[in-house]
Amino acid sequence: DVKVTQSSRYLVKRTGEKVFLECVQDMDHENMFWYRQDPGLGLRLIYFSYDVKMKEKGDIPEGYSVSREKKERFSLILESASTNQTSMYLCASRGRGGSLDNEQFFGPGTRLTVL
Amino acid sequence: AQSVAQPEDQVNVAEGNPLTVKCTYSVSGNPYLFWYVQYPNRGLQFLLKYITGDNLVKGSYGFEAEFNKSQTSFHLKKPSALVSDSALYFCAVSGNTPLVFGKGTRLSVIA
Repeated sequence: DVKVTQSSRYLVKRTGEKVFLECVQDMDHENMFWYRQDPGLGLRLIYFSYDVKMKEKGDIPEGYSVSREKKERFSLILESASTNQTSMYLCASRGRGGSLDNEQFFGPGTRLTVL
Repeated sequence: AQSVAQPEDQVNVAEGNPLTVKCTYSVSGNPYLFWYVQYPNRGLQFLLKYITGDNLVKGSYGFEAEFNKSQTSFHLKKPSALVSDSALYFCAVSGNTPLVFGKGTRLSVIA
């Protein structure tokens, strides 16, 4: 089974702090994604990556950056956390290159609270 | 641009009754359609997908979904609901970009 792990289930940070959310997948998938989930808004795509050192902006990239130095790891960075970034963050991966008919596999999520 | 609509925020159904969770989509070209389920404090789990072929797709836990091209719909169904089916359900579509998700429908199955 594909396993996607996220570094923390719950995280509490202060406004202005730099925050790192880590995601690791163990199935050699090329594609990795970061979403945030908010009640009533569903999942919104922040950033994604099709390959190592490659990144693409999603629908809501403002205030975030990403890093993909190794194929299995995709990091989401909040340069200066703000209260409106309090949310559930979900990482996902998908295999087989650019094939869009493959399902995405999700990690358990990180619930981030910014005070 | 592609989009997904789940018109119901909440669906309530009695245990043993059939359930339907609705989804309509908009995409240019052929759609790839997915259903995911999220149990409390868990990530999303894949249920089923439509890529091509038979319009009725069967998936995990006894769920199925019917692709209707003329109505641009992909409703999720189950003949007999279980209390354990209570969860948040997401429909998603992929045309030529990463998955776009609907806002989710919370299903409550009442014993």
